[in-house]
Amino acid sequence: QVQLVESGGGVVQPGRSLRLSCAASGFTFSSFGIHWVRQGPGKGLEWLAVITFDGNQKYYADSVKGRFSISRDNSMNMVYLQMNNVSSEDTAVYTCARDSRDGYKPRSALDIWGQGTRVTVSS
Amino acid sequence: DIQMTQSPSSLSASVGDRVTISCRSSQSIAYYLNWYQHKVGEAPKLLLSTASALQGGVPSRFSGSGSETDFTLTISGLQPEDFATYYCQQSYTTPYSFGQGTKLEIK
Repeated sequence: QVQLVESGGGVVQPGRSLRLSCAASGFTFSSFGIHWVRQGPGKGLEWLAVITFDGNQKYYADSVKGRFSISRDNSMNMVYLQMNNVSSEDTAVYTCARDSRDGYKPRSALDIWGQGTRVTVSS
Repeated sequence: DIQMTQSPSSLSASVGDRVTISCRSSQSIAYYLNWYQHKVGEAPKLLLSTASALQGGVPSRFSGSGSETDFTLTISGLQPEDFATYYCQQSYTTPYSFGQGTKLEIK
C-alpha cells in the first residue's frame, strides 16, 4: 500500500525549533520527489518545499526560506522538515506529498498525500 | 512568484447540478495546472493534472480545461460525495502555489 505518514508535530514555543518526519512505504521512495504542504487554521493549502528524488535540489516558498530546511534519507525512506525560529504564523497541519512522476521530472503534480501532523506555536 | 486566484470562493449547488470552478494564474503556466479535492479530516486527492488529465479512479464527471492563464474545473452531475473544497495548483515553476480554494456546499 502506497503510503506517507507524518510525525513530529506538537506544541512549540515561538522562536524554537521542531523537526517533522515523513515516512514512506509501498513504492520506490528513492525515485520520487517529495513536497511539504501546510494548512493553517481556517486557511487554504500552502506549498512549502520540495526535494528531488536524489536530494540534490531543494526549493522553498518565500514564507519559509531561510527558516525551514527539507532533507531526505533514502536508506530509511524518510523525508524531514526542519523548522527553525517558528512563529504563530507557522501554526498549521503539515503534510508531505509525493511527485506524481518518478525521476527528475519537474512540473509534476502531487499524487499521494499523508494525513498530516499538527504543529501549534504557542508560549 | 505566481499567484493563483480561484472563483468563486464558495458555491452552493444541488445533487445533479453541473458546476464550474475557475482558476486564473498571474502569468502563463502553459498547461501545468492541477486540481485537488479536499475533504475535512482526509488527505487531499489529485483529480486532474496538466489541466485536463483525469487521474486513475476519478469519475468521468470531473473534467478540466484551459491553458496559459485561465483554467476551469467542471463537475457534471454532482454527487453527494463531491461536496468538498477544491484547489487548483500550478506546477509550472517553484515556488509552486495553490489557489485559495472553492468550498462546494449542498444547497
